[in-house]
Amino acid sequence: SYELTQPPSVSVSPGQTASITCSGDKLGDKYACWYQQKPGQSPVLVIHQDSKRPSGIPERFSGSNSGNTATLTISGTQAMDEADYYCQAWDSSTVVFGGGTKVTVL
Amino acid sequence: EVQLLESGGGLVQPGGSLRLSCAASGFTFSSYGMSWVRQAPGKGLEWVSTIRGSGTGTYYADSVKGRFTISRDNSKNTLYLQMNSLRAEDTAVYYCAKEAAAGGGLDYWGQGTLVTVSS
Repeated sequence: SYELTQPPSVSVSPGQTASITCSGDKLGDKYACWYQQKPGQSPVLVIHQDSKRPSGIPERFSGSNSGNTATLTISGTQAMDEADYYCQAWDSSTVVFGGGTKVTVL
Repeated sequence: EVQLLESGGGLVQPGGSLRLSCAASGFTFSSYGMSWVRQAPGKGLEWVSTIRGSGTGTYYADSVKGRFTISRDNSKNTLYLQMNSLRAEDTAVYYCAKEAAAGGGLDYWGQGTLVTVSS
C-alpha cells in the first residue's frame, strides 16, 4: 500500500519560515493536499492540488510537489499556526494520509 | 454555507455494531464524493472509506474492509457508515468529509462523532 512520510515535529520562531516535508514514491505524479488541525478541532484544508490555497487561507501558506516530495511552507509563521499538519494524496481511488507533523512556534 | 453534521457515535461492546450518519447541507450532495476519516485518541488521521457521488463506487481501507459499509441517500443528503464486528482499535473520532473537485482534497469536514469500543 502507498505510504506518505512526514517528520514528527518542526519548530519555528515567530516570523520565520517553517517547511514541512511529505515523502512518497513518485508523489510528484499525484496531487498533494495539506490539512491543519488544532487541538479539539476538525482538520482544515490549507493547500490542495499541490499549491492552491482554498478561499480564506492566508497567503503565508504555500505548497509545492515534485519528485518524491511535497512541501508545505509557512512564511512569517504566527503563533496561531501552531498545530498538527497532515499531507494527503490519492492512490487508486483511496485516500492516503501522512503521519502528521506537529509545528511548534517557539 | 456547507455543513456536515455527524451523529450515531457512542459506546459499544467488542463485536457489536453501530451506524453513523452525516447530514449534509449547503451544496449539491449528489455531485460530490464523500469520505469517512477517523482519528484514534492522540493519533493521526486515518482514512476509512470513500463513496462516489452517484453511490456506485465505494472504497475501503484494508483495516475495515468486510466489516464496514459506506452508503448514501442522495434524496436525504445523508451519508452513512455501517460498522459491524467492532474492535477496540476502531475506537476513534469519526469525521465525514466532502471531496472537492478531482484532486482537490477534502474541503469540508464535520465536527466528528466519537465511537468507543469497550466492554
